[in-house]
This record gives sequence, structure tokens and C-alpha cells, in this order.
Amino acid sequence: NAGVTQTPKFQVLKTGQSMTLQCAQDMNHEYMSWYRQDPGMGLRLIHYSVGAGITDQGEVPNGYNVSRSTTEDFPLRLLSAAPSQTSVYFCASSYLRGEDKLNYGYTFGSGTRLTVV
Amino acid sequence: GNSVTQMEGPVTLSEEAFLTINCTYTATGYPSLFWYVQYPGEGLQLLLKATKADDKGSNKGFEATYRKETTSFHLEKGSVQVSDSAVYFCARTPNDYKLSFGAGTTVTVRA
Repeated sequence: NAGVTQTPKFQVLKTGQSMTLQCAQDMNHEYMSWYRQDPGMGLRLIHYSVGAGITDQGEVPNGYNVSRSTTEDFPLRLLSAAPSQTSVYFCASSYLRGEDKLNYGYTFGSGTRLTVV
Repeated sequence: GNSVTQMEGPVTLSEEAFLTINCTYTATGYPSLFWYVQYPGEGLQLLLKATKADDKGSNKGFEATYRKETTSFHLEKGSVQVSDSAVYFCARTPNDYKLSFGAGTTVTVRA
């Protein structure tokens, strides 16, 4: 099925460990992004990309790195996990501009629930 | 500050009750407005949208009207069902690609 695939679905890390959350889409979307969802705070943008080789910071980028080597993949790396990074992480993609962006909106993955102890 | 403010929950209703979730947005530029829904254990799904003033978005019995004069995009449904239990997010995007979300409103519908 076409869509956004995130792995893993659940992860427990110890403080200081590093890991990579995977995100892949097969809709040829130019735009990809990572959000974190915390109670009472909605979704906050971590990093985003408007195409292969181009990334930029969102609202809460500290402690996270991204890269976009292909159109399909947009991994999120936690460099040294901290308890404050305990959250649910969502990857989302969309067309970049025009009627397609407005008509179809964002497509979200099913999320990764991360706990840092 | 956040460019989207939505009413805080949680909201608990009985089946067939009327649902309203208030949403107001920051009026910079000419934003497009959206409502997304998140069912338990899932990612967000686009529920409806409106791209200019006075547009009405509708889907699955839900409606929202883009009100420029009050900078609002309130979500309404006339008769809710248990299956409407979810978290609802109001969101806006200006004339680019980034979405800003409200804090989300948890709705529980009881049989």
C-alpha cells in the first residue's frame, strides 16, 4: 500500500544512546518532515526537507539530525538520547506546491513511540 | 507563539450529541486551514480543508467554515457516533509547505 512507513513502532533507549528512526514514502513526495507529539503541545516540527540533498530546521531541532539522500527516505537520528526526547514521533510527507499539496494534504506515518530511561 | 489555538479538551459526549471544537488562527498572509483526525494508535489523517475565506470544508458529517472576519475555523458535527472518538487537530499553512498544528482536542463519544 502506498504511504509513509515508519520503523520501529516502539523503542526504549538508555540515556546517552543513539539511534535512527526510519521513514520511507513511495508517493514521490518532494516534502518530508518529522514531528514530535507531546501531551498538550500538539505536533511540533523537528526538521523538514523540500527535496533530496536539502534539509532545514523546524521549531525543536536540538538533539536531532536528518539527511535526505533520496526522495524516498528521510531518517531522523538521535545523537545522544535524553529523557526529554521521550515522545511519539511522526514522519509526514506531501507534494511541495500547487493544487496537489492542497488537495491531498500531508500523509502521516503511524508513529514511533520512543521512551528514554 | 503558536499560530493555531484550539479549544482544550478533553470533550466527552453521548452518541447523537452535537460537537463543536473551536479553532482560531493567526491572520498572517492567506493561510489554508485544515482539520486532521488521529484515531487511537494511528497517525494523523486529513479530515477536511478550506483554502480561502468563506470556503466550507466537509467530510464524514463534519464541517468547518473559513471565517476571515473572526480568524476562526471551528469544527462541527451534528450527530456524533462512538467511532468519532479521536484526537482532532486544527492546522494552518501559509503560502508554503509547513503545517502548524494546534494542541489537539481529545473527543470521547459514549454509547
